Amino acid sequence: AQRVTQPEKLLSVFKGAPVELKCNYSYSGSPELFWYVQYSRQRLQLLLRHISRESIKGFTADLNKGETSFHLKKPFAQEEDSAMYYCALSGLGGSNYKLTFGKGTLLTVNP
Amino acid sequence: EAGVTQFPSHSVIEKGQTVTLRCDPISGHDNLYWYRRVMGKEIKFLLHFVKESKQDESGMPNNRFLAERTGGTYSTLKVQPAELEDSGVYFCASSRARVSGELFFGEGSRLTVL
Repeated sequence: AQRVTQPEKLLSVFKGAPVELKCNYSYSGSPELFWYVQYSRQRLQLLLRHISRESIKGFTADLNKGETSFHLKKPFAQEEDSAMYYCALSGLGGSNYKLTFGKGTLLTVNP
Repeated sequence: EAGVTQFPSHSVIEKGQTVTLRCDPISGHDNLYWYRRVMGKEIKFLLHFVKESKQDESGMPNNRFLAERTGGTYSTLKVQPAELEDSGVYFCASSRARVSGELFFGEGSRLTVL
């Protein structure tokens, strides 16, 4: 069975501090990993995906297959990063794009 | 480009009543999904349409839930009869074919069953 675990329900940091949101997964095949974000009063939206290997809004995430992790990192947090972050996975390729989500981490960046 | 729209944004009904949620996907998106977040739990997959066909409905909780997508455009999700545990936020999402995992979500329909 596929599962995504986000161990931190809440994470609070100060502006300018590094931030790391943890995500661990369980999947028997080759997964595709994503981070979705929901800002206050906005809809859930894709932040980044591991196959793109890109940095979005200063965030990066590296897929570590050995540790089955996909932690989201940013070296210097900004107040506008405050939001709910969801880690998600789907099977790589194929025609079924069903996502399995973690429970989410609420990030608060304090001034 | 208009985003995914959902209606109603919030519905309050009594146990045993019927509710129908509607989703209009982004134009041209063949894939349409329904997800649900029950309080305190993760966002869970309900079902997936490709055009008008149900591709995967493995997440539908029981036969009180009926989803349709006639003509391959908008979709409805009917709950009949509603139970207390059906309360939550129902999200609709759509995507283009061949783009795995990049879903565009609606704002969600909050259902409260009293």
